[in-house]
Amino acid sequence: KQEVTQIPAALSVPEGENLVLNCSFTDSAIYNLQWFRQDPGKGLTSLLLIQSSQREQTSGRLNASLDKSSGRSTLYIAASQPGDSATYLCAVRPWDTGFQKLVFGTGTRLLVSP
Amino acid sequence: GAVVSQHPSWVICKSGTSVKIECRSLDFQATTMFWYRQFPKKSLMLMATSNEGSKATYEQGVEKDKFLINHASLTLSTLTVTSAHPEDSSFYICSARDRERSYNEQFFGPGTRLTVL
Repeated sequence: KQEVTQIPAALSVPEGENLVLNCSFTDSAIYNLQWFRQDPGKGLTSLLLIQSSQREQTSGRLNASLDKSSGRSTLYIAASQPGDSATYLCAVRPWDTGFQKLVFGTGTRLLVSP
Repeated sequence: GAVVSQHPSWVICKSGTSVKIECRSLDFQATTMFWYRQFPKKSLMLMATSNEGSKATYEQGVEKDKFLINHASLTLSTLTVTSAHPEDSSFYICSARDRERSYNEQFFGPGTRLTVL
């Protein structure tokens, strides 16, 4: 059974810092991995999607990497801003449960202080 | 585009009552919708997958008689929590897949917070 873990569970940084969020998954048989952002009491917003054949994806100040063989992904946020404060979730699409299903990680709660 | 709404955004009910939550795709047709449950400070757990016009597929451990899912049209899916109890209190989120887009793209609703007294 696929399990997804995120470290750290919570992170507090001052504005302007670069930071890295970690995601690990137990089964490398995935179709792709996706990073989401969730604001308190809200739904999810997709940030980046990395196909299993890719190594990284970039969008603005965000960069996500994927090392499928070791079961790891990182989300790098450059020059953090207070508006980045949210919970960040990673999720994988396992091969054996259908391409549509997402298995979510435990999340990292990020607080960026002014 | 690709907006998913949920109604209500929050609901408080007495134990033993049934609660219906609606999930709508506002500007696209959703052949598949997903229902998730999220406990405080926990991740999302997939409860069931519903395809328009057919029965929902429930994940292991989810009681289908407890959580009734109906996907009667390409833009609407409903989740009914029957005979709700305090342990059913949670944040319920739906997502929808646009039939015209890649299966990778699931659009999430804003969630419904259910509190059972």
